[in-house]
Amino acid sequence: EVQLVESGGGLVQPGRSMKLSCAASGFTFSNYGMAWVRQAPTKGLEWVATISYDGSSTYYRDSVKGRFTISRDNAKSTLYLQMNSLRSEDTATYYCTRESGWELDFDYWGQGVMVTVSS
Amino acid sequence: DVVLTQTPSTLSATIGQSVSISCRSSQSLLDSAGNTYLYWYLQRPGQSPQLLIYLVSNLGSGVPNRFSGSGSGTDFTLKISGVEAEDLGVYYCMQATHAPYTFGAGTKLELK
Repeated sequence: EVQLVESGGGLVQPGRSMKLSCAASGFTFSNYGMAWVRQAPTKGLEWVATISYDGSSTYYRDSVKGRFTISRDNAKSTLYLQMNSLRSEDTATYYCTRESGWELDFDYWGQGVMVTVSS
Repeated sequence: DVVLTQTPSTLSATIGQSVSISCRSSQSLLDSAGNTYLYWYLQRPGQSPQLLIYLVSNLGSGVPNRFSGSGSGTDFTLKISGVEAEDLGVYYCMQATHAPYTFGAGTKLELK
């Protein structure tokens, strides 16, 4: 059974940093691209970043480029999102997702982790 | 960025009723290789989103066949043929043809 379990969220002050983790199991992690999608309270879904199966390629939305870094450790089957210079508008639930393949759909989602940026 | 406009924003239905949700894109979602990267997701209350439809009309794994997707270019539709109680929640379309990936604002399906 595919499982994606996020951790590392919580309350952080504006301008500070936070690192999210996503532990994957039930599939060969190193074969799949992975992504982070976020959802601000009572709002819709927003793609944040994607990383290729081997980590060689990364893609970001403009609003997080230069502040967020997506990475992965295939030996540990773990996805990361390093978030620096956090802003109040980064407050959201962050979902770890698996990209199914060339079809690019997000076929599995984690339960999400809440990040609150506030003083 | 590509804007996906979903209508209606709220949909009231009775059990067994068939309903449709529209997703209109600000740009064609057909890429140069002939693929259309348009998806539908359902987020039930208090849950993570789940994949329903990929590449316009392909049913996700384990998704009941009362769900169907259609469309091309800039106009797409999700149809539920016979709403069941477990179908309640917010439906989102998403495109991955153009960077950045974008989602529609969502359509909330509720019981009448």
